[in-house]
Amino acid sequence: DTEVTQTPKHLVMGMTNKKSLKCEQHMGHRAMYWYKQKAKKPPELMFVYSYEKLSINESVPSRFSPECPNSSLLNLHLHALQPEDSALYLCASSQDLGIYSPLHFGNGTRLTVT
Amino acid sequence: DAKTTQPTSMDCAEGRAANLPCNHSTISGNEYVYWYRQIHSQGPQYIIHGLKNNETNEMASLIITEDRKSSTLILPHATLRDTAVYYCIVRVAQDTGRRALTFGSGTRLQVQP
Repeated sequence: DTEVTQTPKHLVMGMTNKKSLKCEQHMGHRAMYWYKQKAKKPPELMFVYSYEKLSINESVPSRFSPECPNSSLLNLHLHALQPEDSALYLCASSQDLGIYSPLHFGNGTRLTVT
Repeated sequence: DAKTTQPTSMDCAEGRAANLPCNHSTISGNEYVYWYRQIHSQGPQYIIHGLKNNETNEMASLIITEDRKSSTLILPHATLRDTAVYYCIVRVAQDTGRRALTFGSGTRLQVQP
């Protein structure tokens, strides 16, 4: 079990659909992250939020739109995705952005774009 | 952040110690060594981190060489549940605005029965 909960676990969407991935943590963490992981590859950082403000955007295409409505929730809004966006999307949180704050990951949402 | 080099894969017999090496020859004085692992179909899991002293917790031990150019993660009694990809990551300590983890390719550890 993980303390970072991601929903849904699996998602299939067409290229014209709009969908959202959700992430929730109740550990009081103030930093939250989105990673993308393709099969047999390491996770790649997409976005970092610190105290509900976007801190890092790793040049992610605008069809991915993050949102942090409060300190416990992190969303990733998806629109007009391409088949190559199919991947495992991982959410993580940490106490803050400090070096002593390990990241806690959820088990991800497996996204398939058809 | 410094680059890390790890073997692509390793095998270990169940019940034996698993020693996973990592080279980080360009590490600087304010960079920490972190280890995570990712079991199949799960998110990465934090294991341990250290600066220059050896560290031990309930999961593993971390041995860092005196020159800090390499480290070894030790799982003292490997079980089948330790089969996973193990990532060695180096993170800078100062406020660069980019402290989030960047994963390398990792080592795929297969624990054999």
